[in-house]
Amino acid sequence: GAVVSQHPSRVICKSGTSVKIECRSLDFQATTMFWYRQFPKQSLMLMATSNEGSKATYEQGVEKDKFLINHASLTLSTLTVTSAHPEDSSFYICSAISGGDTGELFFGEGSRLTVL
Amino acid sequence: GQQLNQSPQSMFIQEGEDVSMNCTSSSIFNTWLWYKQEPGEGPVLLIALYKAGELTSNGRLTAQFGITRKDSFLNISASIPSDVGIYFCAGPSLEYGNKLVFGAGTILRVKS
Repeated sequence: GAVVSQHPSRVICKSGTSVKIECRSLDFQATTMFWYRQFPKQSLMLMATSNEGSKATYEQGVEKDKFLINHASLTLSTLTVTSAHPEDSSFYICSAISGGDTGELFFGEGSRLTVL
Repeated sequence: GQQLNQSPQSMFIQEGEDVSMNCTSSSIFNTWLWYKQEPGEGPVLLIALYKAGELTSNGRLTAQFGITRKDSFLNISASIPSDVGIYFCAGPSLEYGNKLVFGAGTILRVKS
């Protein structure tokens, strides 16, 4: 089946630094990828939709200058958490659709960000 | 945004018991999805339902798409320790631009 891979799986950083998380579709091309955030014992909340070659679409309440998304190729989207603070600590998960807009959605393994 | 009401919130059951969890919505869904998430991992799709009334099985898992298109249930028969995890229902919300919305999750723990 289709595979979506995230890197890094875990990252610890100091407050004020920026962290980049990569999301790759390993065996298919994805014009659209999605970024979710999940706090402990909570559900997944959609942050933004990443569109290849164009600007990301952010959900209400998500700061686009804080969470920079770049979808430079059909297999890679990156999420950069800029000037991270402890409240940004969370589990970030990406997903991508295999087989066009009506295909199946596959999730990455997630990236656990801890900001000290 | 669109809400999916998932219950129960958590379950702690004996190995071998059957498990049932469900999701309801105030709005119609054309697709219901059930995912399992293990600690530190992303969700993995278990069952996808595309038609009202559809009953689909995947091994010991059975899920149904409610006739009203506003609910779905997931059953796990003869639970085993590796069934532990968080189970989420999800669906593309017609009111939300077909973006995937998730239920709050059901935490399943199995006592062996």
